Amino acid sequence: KAGVTQTPRYLIKTRGQQVTLSCSPISGHRSVSWYQQTPGQGLQFLFEYFSETQRNKGNFPGRFSGRQFSNSRSEMNVSTLELGDSALYLCASSLVGSADTQYFGPGTRLTVL
Amino acid sequence: DQQVKQNSPSLSVQEGRISILNCDYTNSMFDYFLWYKKYPAEGPTFLISISSIKDKNEDGRFTVFLNKSAKHLSLHIVPSQPGDSAVYFCAAIGGSGNTGKLIFGQGTTLQVKP
Repeated sequence: KAGVTQTPRYLIKTRGQQVTLSCSPISGHRSVSWYQQTPGQGLQFLFEYFSETQRNKGNFPGRFSGRQFSNSRSEMNVSTLELGDSALYLCASSLVGSADTQYFGPGTRLTVL
Repeated sequence: DQQVKQNSPSLSVQEGRISILNCDYTNSMFDYFLWYKKYPAEGPTFLISISSIKDKNEDGRFTVFLNKSAKHLSLHIVPSQPGDSAVYFCAAIGGSGNTGKLIFGQGTTLQVKP
């Protein structure tokens, strides 16, 4: 069974630009969650999508948005990039969310210059 | 407001000895706790979990202990092996509106020396 895949793996952008990250969950998984990892902050929850609906949201500004498609693939968008958005963005999929084991992708390393 | 805290950023132990990683939480609504391990350039992988109705869960060399009154959990690895060197995150889930929302600690970097 293929794991969670994320594209691209690395990305360099400049301030003010926008970026779209993609996540393909494990086949059959309907829940996709996004996390931001920065040094000293651990992993911070961005949002969770289930059956194309945002089911939960973390404490991030509206510049961070996402969506999920009918095949459960998910995209995350960050607009008007700031230097502080430089981080590793991880997506995780699970069967139904909640206390299901979440399987993480390798992440997308975003650097904002 | 850090609801899950791992106060030790790093830990170094000798191969064969016990590694103890600690985690504290503040939200009494959390009812399920997990440990994830992360190697560089990879996403976190699930290691072990424990429900709040238990105080111990064991899986091979890994044991998680939960002390609800102290809002504290710990991960014991015994014996520690060099391949265990990684960043360990504890995470918690629970309470209304938390479906799919894992709250992670900051992580502890474990180094197991041969």
